[in-house]
Amino acid sequence: KNEVEQSPQNLTAQEGEFITINCSYSVGISALHWLQQHPGGGIVSLFMLSSGKKKHGRLIATINIQEKHSSLHITASHPRDSAVYICAVRWLNGNQFYFGTGTSLTVIP
Amino acid sequence: DSGVTQTPKHLITATGQRVTLRCSPRSGDLSVYWYQQSLDQGLQFLIQYYNGEERAKGNILERFSAQQFPDLHSELNLSSLELGDSALYFCASSGLGTAGNTIYFGEGSWLTVV
Repeated sequence: KNEVEQSPQNLTAQEGEFITINCSYSVGISALHWLQQHPGGGIVSLFMLSSGKKKHGRLIATINIQEKHSSLHITASHPRDSAVYICAVRWLNGNQFYFGTGTSLTVIP
Repeated sequence: DSGVTQTPKHLITATGQRVTLRCSPRSGDLSVYWYQQSLDQGLQFLIQYYNGEERAKGNILERFSAQQFPDLHSELNLSSLELGDSALYFCASSGLGTAGNTIYFGEGSWLTVV
């Protein structure tokens, strides 16, 4: 059983569509990251959340601590958004980060 | 640039061989994490070091070992390599306390075992 569940696993969208990727986790956390991994391998952290909502450009991330759930939204999607998006959480009682299996997003022009 | 440096970027080696992957964490970060990402799997946690000491262990094979040196750089040693060990190996670092909530990844080391 994976402590961090992401959905969907794969997502194909038309350019301009609104996209949502979901992440659920099973225990209390101190932080949640949304990571982006482009083809070629590099991983960057898009957001770090411990509560509420953050926005950066066309990307919005929300977290509901009580429901142990986070969403990443992409508005007006663009082909350059095509990447794997990974949810990562840091447990309250540990130092490790646990990762979802990722959502592979393809945005078609 | 995350500030985490990994070498080598690419490595091709034969089965049965041993390789060492190196990671320099972000300046000031005491925690170093190693992850394996195979083609068909997500990021798998291998091991974490904090200020030179092993802090947490994940699904790391006995053929693999790691250490963190006094200057905080870390090395991941992979021995008796098998074809299935071909993967992208990431190093990440994080800071102390709440700074540990922020994690930075290196660009990864591509290992191909032939």
